[in-house]
Amino acid sequence: GENVEQHPSTLSVQEGDSAVIKCTYSDSASNYFPWYKQELGKRPQLIIDIRSNVGEKKDQRIAVTLNKTAKHFSLHITETQPEDSAVYFCAASTPRGNQFYFGTGTSLTVIP
Amino acid sequence: DVKVTQSSRYLVKRTGEKVFLECVQDMDHENMFWYRQDPGLGLRLIYFSYDVKMKEKGDIPEGYSVSREKKERFSLILESASTNQTSMYLCASGVWETQYFGPGTRLLVL
Repeated sequence: GENVEQHPSTLSVQEGDSAVIKCTYSDSASNYFPWYKQELGKRPQLIIDIRSNVGEKKDQRIAVTLNKTAKHFSLHITETQPEDSAVYFCAASTPRGNQFYFGTGTSLTVIP
Repeated sequence: DVKVTQSSRYLVKRTGEKVFLECVQDMDHENMFWYRQDPGLGLRLIYFSYDVKMKEKGDIPEGYSVSREKKERFSLILESASTNQTSMYLCASGVWETQYFGPGTRLLVL
């Protein structure tokens, strides 16, 4: 089955700096890659996603890039703010579409 | 707004007890999922369901069973709870690629 690895497991950045979280996947058939943000004590929520026919997607301060050849995708957060502090999960989904394989999570801390 | 609710936020049970965790969604989603979340391990899929009375094993089904008698309700059952099942349990529902999560149930097995 699919195997998703996520790095780093923890990340601290100064407010205003950028943060990058990287994930790799093993199944070349995976074609959908969502990112979830989980604030302390709350449920994971989808923040951005990308499909395999697209190389990059941006939504305000967050962007996701995908390299299908290398089988890795990354989350980029620019101009970080304290409210960006959370655990971020990447996931990969196969064409069947409804089973996600999650990474192990990255705990991001933005220092004011 | 999609609403996914779970029957309990916190639960304490004893080893050997039978435990029921319930998940209800109000969006007529066909797909429903049960995950457990542990530090350093992320979210791992226990079971999922595509339709009523239909279920499929995920990555870690051992020690668990599920029931989906109605489309909106997906139950996770721990037949005989053990201490290694102490965890956060997250339910999700969705359509095709989109999954919406419930608030989670933190289960402690003593």
